[in-house]
Order: sequence, then structure tokens, then C-alpha cells
Amino acid sequence: QVQLKESGPGLVQPSETLSLTCTVSGFSLTSYGVNWVRQPPGKGLEWMGTIWNDGSTDYNSALKSRLSISRDTSKSQVFLKMNSLQTEDTAIYLCAREANWEPFDYWGQGVMVTVSS
Amino acid sequence: DIQMTQSPPSLSASLGDKVTITCQASQNINKYIAWYQQKPGKAPRLLIRYTSTLESGTPSRFSGSGSGRDYSFSISNVESEDIASYYCLQYVNLPDTFGAGTKLELK
Repeated sequence: QVQLKESGPGLVQPSETLSLTCTVSGFSLTSYGVNWVRQPPGKGLEWMGTIWNDGSTDYNSALKSRLSISRDTSKSQVFLKMNSLQTEDTAIYLCAREANWEPFDYWGQGVMVTVSS
Repeated sequence: DIQMTQSPPSLSASLGDKVTITCQASQNINKYIAWYQQKPGKAPRLLIRYTSTLESGTPSRFSGSGSGRDYSFSISNVESEDIASYYCLQYVNLPDTFGAGTKLELK
């Protein structure tokens, strides 16, 4: 069955770089895109960026200067790197699958990231 | 970017009520709207895609409608398991954008 699972550090220092991994199973990264979405505590959902099935990427313009998404298809993993973290980046970070012209259908459980010294 | 204005921010309902949530897009989104349910501590669950197509496993008491800029999502006969937050998502143009969410509570 389709599964996505996020992993990464729960605590990051301000100004440091966040590195997260989304490990997928039940589908191929060459057939579907994977998105990163974040949700600050008690708030709504914010799309961060997508790596498409062809390896191209799109980013939220508000985060583009700090954000990089890449993948390793052989390991079925998608990576998020975001630099210059601030306290307002504290959020649950989720990855979600997407096909072209379709909404996000399967999601990971999310990983809570706290930015604090 | 397309803005999605979702209302109301919160909703109080009794079991068996019908409730309706609306999303208005800042431009025509050609029915490319999806609706998600999110329970505390859980990932969003896709309920409806392309305005009104129910996902497998979505109860028939959920429905969606709309066109152009204006869309709605309804739950008829609210059940206790429906207590959650609900989000709309437009996916016609990048970036995909979510509504701010509606928290459904029991009266």
C-alpha cells in the first residue's frame, strides 16, 4: 500500500539548516510528485514545494530563497533542506503524494520541528 | 497566487445537523478544488476532489459543489466522527493553495 514517512531532527537551532527525509513505498517517484507542506501549531496548511515525477521542482515563492527539494529514486526518498531557520519555522512538516492535475492524495504522518536555542 | 477565502473559521453543530463550508477563489479555478478532513495529531485526509468526486471510503453524507470562483462543502447528518478541521485546496495553478480551515465542533 502507499505510504510516506517523514524523518528528521525534532529540534533545530535558529539560523541553522533543516534537513528532512520523506521515505515512500507503494509507488514510484518517477510516476508521482511529492510535496512538502507545513503546519505551524494550531494553524493552517502551507504548501512549501514539489518535486515532480520528472525530477523538476517548484517552490513557494515565499520560501524559494531558503528551500531545496531533491530525491534519490533508488532509495525512494525525497529530501527537504531549508536554511536560515527562525522560530516562525516551528511547525509540523508533512510530505504528500501528488499526480499531475490531481490533489495531494496520500500523506505522511508528519514530523514536528521546533526552532529554538 | 490564487487566494482561497474559506468560511466560516469555526462551526458549531449538533449531531444530525447539516453544515456547509464555503471557499471562494480569487480567480476561476475550473472546479479544481479538493476538500480535506484533519483530526488532531493526524495528517489531512482527502475527502473530495474536482469539486464533487468523493474518494473511496468517503461517506455519502459528504458532498461538494460549485463552479468558477465559488465552492461549497457540506456534511448532512453530522456524526461525532466528523468533528475535525476541514480545508479546501485549489490545484489548478501553482502554487497549490489551501483555505485557512474550518473547525467543526459539537454544540
